Amino acid sequence: AQSVTQLDSQVPVFEEAPVELRCNYSSSVSVYLFWYVQYPNQGLQLLLKYLSGSTLVESINGFEAEFNKSQTSFHLRKPSVHISDTAEYFCAVTGYSSASKIIFGSGTRLSIRP
Amino acid sequence: DVKVTQSSRYLVKRTGEKVFLECVQDMDHENMFWYRQDPGLGLRLIYFSYDVKMKEKGDIPEGYSVSREKKERFSLILESASTNQTSMYLCASSPGGETYNEQFFGPGTRLTVL
Repeated sequence: AQSVTQLDSQVPVFEEAPVELRCNYSSSVSVYLFWYVQYPNQGLQLLLKYLSGSTLVESINGFEAEFNKSQTSFHLRKPSVHISDTAEYFCAVTGYSSASKIIFGSGTRLSIRP
Repeated sequence: DVKVTQSSRYLVKRTGEKVFLECVQDMDHENMFWYRQDPGLGLRLIYFSYDVKMKEKGDIPEGYSVSREKKERFSLILESASTNQTSMYLCASSPGGETYNEQFFGPGTRLTVL
């Protein structure tokens, strides 16, 4: 079985500042990892995913996440945030044999101050 | 453009009522899911379905049932609504096959049980 821990329920930052949203997972098998984003009053959208290969993955809007197997982490980072990044971010994990079930973290609410 | 729609954005019901939440996807996906989202708890899987007329319990199935008579439609049923079922309900779908396939989410139904 897998589990996901998002250490911060809320992260307030100023516009154009860097941000890191932390995610740790546990699993007895190899995993795929995801970050989903939920903008206000919307459903979730996939932001980026790690399947294999390069441990650094990027999204089209400037976010990146690095898979660290030794630390069982998949932290999300952005060097300079915009007001439009205000949203809730969910880390998620699935094992290779989980048959389409994904386990979601509890979410981190990112609020951007002008 | 891919689309998952849910029948209502907001719903108010009384304790003991039978409640139907409908979800429709137009992507010909095999897999469909129902989650509930609560602050601080993230998304928890209620039921999922791999195919028409197939269903499997998720992590919190108690008090819920589902129906999938057609590939594109997945219904969540609360046989006798209770106040602790007040929540945001999210439907998702994904292609069949690999476990890492992206899940596409609907906008959610915010259910209040009085």
